Parts: sequence; C-alpha cells; structure tokens
Amino acid sequence: DAMVIQNPRYQVTQFGKPVTLSCSQTLNHNVMYWYQQKSSQAPKLLFHYYDKDFNNEADTPDNFQSRRPNTSFCFLDIRSPGLGDTAMYLCATSREQGARGNIQYFGAGTRLSVL
Amino acid sequence: GQQVMQIPQYQHVQEGEDFTTYCNSSTTLSNIQWYKQRPGGHPVFLIQLVKSGEVKKQKRLTFQFGEAKKNSSLHITATQTTDVGTYFCASNDYKLSFGAGTTVTVRA
Repeated sequence: DAMVIQNPRYQVTQFGKPVTLSCSQTLNHNVMYWYQQKSSQAPKLLFHYYDKDFNNEADTPDNFQSRRPNTSFCFLDIRSPGLGDTAMYLCATSREQGARGNIQYFGAGTRLSVL
Repeated sequence: GQQVMQIPQYQHVQEGEDFTTYCNSSTTLSNIQWYKQRPGGHPVFLIQLVKSGEVKKQKRLTFQFGEAKKNSSLHITATQTTDVGTYFCASNDYKLSFGAGTTVTVRA
C-alpha cells in the first residue's frame, strides 16, 4: 500500500488560475517536503515542514505556498501558475531531519500542465 | 546543502554488460544516498553510505563511498532491462541535494 499519496496524479490548469496539490502520509513522519522536477532534471526542493515549522528554500518563488494542517497532510498552493511551472511535483517524507534520519519516501507525484 | 556532481549524464548499456556511475563533491560529505527513478515514476531510496571506504551490495548493484568521503560510485553488473531509469546520488545534511542523475538505457 502506498505510504505517501499524492492527489491528483495529473492536473491541467490555465495560466494564472490557482491550483492546489495535496499529499498525505501514513508513516507518521515528522518532515514533509515538496519538490519540483522538470523534464530530465533532478528534483528541486521548494520547501519543507519539520512538524509545524515551515522552511522555505531561498530561491523558491513567492508564487508557491504550502500548508500543513496536521501531521498527515501537506498542500502545495500555486497562486498564479505560469507556463514555466509545468512540471512534476513530488511530495516526500522523512522520519527526521539530519544526516541519520533523512531517508526520504516519495509519493508518485502530480504532473502539472499549465496551458 | 552540499553540491554533488554526477557523471555520466547518460549511459547506454548493452544488456549483460557492466557500468558505473560516479558522484563527486568538493567537500567532505557526512553521508550519501542513492535513489532510482524509473521512467514516469518517482525516486525510490536504494542505499545510504556513511563510513569512509564503505562498500554495500544489493544483488547486482555495488555502492561505494570514497576514503575521503568526497565521492561515491554505483556499479551495476550484468545489466538487465529492469535497470532502466535515472540513478541519483544525493548529499544528505538536514536536506537532500541531488546530483543531476545518470539516465540509463539498455539495448537488448
């Protein structure tokens, strides 16, 4: 059974139309991550939550926001999607931060297309 | 996070042959992880290496961490079609910093 579940698997949105991607986990992990992965590139970390503490990457555009209402769920909000935001969005979890506890479990991803 | 460089970017392998992908850093790494992403799939954790000079094996996959903890390698023997995908190394501090990945295709 999938332990990190992302919905929807595919999302098409119009330029400028807000979109929300969701992630849930059954692992009870403390840390949840959102990555953006464009074609033929490595995953790029957007931000992560350690419990309720939000940690934004310095180069993540303000257009990307996140919410974590409880341990199990985390959302990625794209306020005004641009064509350049077309990508796979991956959610991941880990038990802890830090070198020893940071094995990450990825969801299947949401493939977002902005038209 | 600590930057890691990964080579080659692409590896085209004849089925049954061996190949190696390399991961290098200019700084000492606390540890390193390897992930595999199948075409259209998501990254899946393979292994974590922590100790200087560490070698770990998973069936036909051999992972090595350099003595100086600045480089790592993944060697696959007798490549099969199931080995197709992109292999990422990632330096591991409080977050992962992925290398660019090696995308492997296999000729039957």
